[in-house]
Amino acid sequence: DTEVTQTPKHLVMGMTNKKSLKCEQHMGHRAMYWYKQKAKKPPELMFVYSYEKLSINESVPSRFSPECPNSSLLNLHLHALQPEDSALYLCASSQDLGSPGELFFGEGSRLTVL
Amino acid sequence: GENVEQHPSTLSVQEGDSAVIKCTYSDSASNYFPWYKQELGKRPQLIIDIRSNVGEKKDQRIAVTLNKTAKHFSLHITETQPEDSAVYFCAASPTPGGYNKLIFGAGTRLAVHP
Repeated sequence: DTEVTQTPKHLVMGMTNKKSLKCEQHMGHRAMYWYKQKAKKPPELMFVYSYEKLSINESVPSRFSPECPNSSLLNLHLHALQPEDSALYLCASSQDLGSPGELFFGEGSRLTVL
Repeated sequence: GENVEQHPSTLSVQEGDSAVIKCTYSDSASNYFPWYKQELGKRPQLIIDIRSNVGEKKDQRIAVTLNKTAKHFSLHITETQPEDSAVYFCAASPTPGGYNKLIFGAGTRLAVHP
């Protein structure tokens, strides 16, 4: 299995809602990532987990809260979002074997904030 | 922090021609330089990567060159085909460890016309 699976594929939420994005991989990768991608823009790094510990937070607003319950799962909890947070949220994973390697991306969760 | 610039933003070629995309990076600590292809509505996928101890790498019709002194790297696609049409992102990773802090360039939209 060489896939990163993300759910849901599409999500519409109001500014007062609380929702979560989920990501799963079964490749034994120990690094997992959240990226945000706006239309016609490159992916922007949000968070990196290495061995289930948060290693990088790219100054992301606290209305985005990541969680790594175990080595296969990564969640992104969303609360009190703004319309400008509407984007494609990409999860990725990599092996983390002492040097950087390929990122395997999921298909993404397309979020619309009304 | 790392900054990656990518040119051109759009590139249109005839089938069979070559295509070249260029990137520059700012952080001399960057040691890993991948190229990702993203077709419309799809996930980014790695097509080739190069590490800082190598000057050139080839994989069939695709090659990447790296000039560490000048801090630039390029993607070369020969004998282009319509299925090469996509957005191509270069990236640099300044992370010394095993996970990736990939910083992406703005992307190049390549159109290959039959």
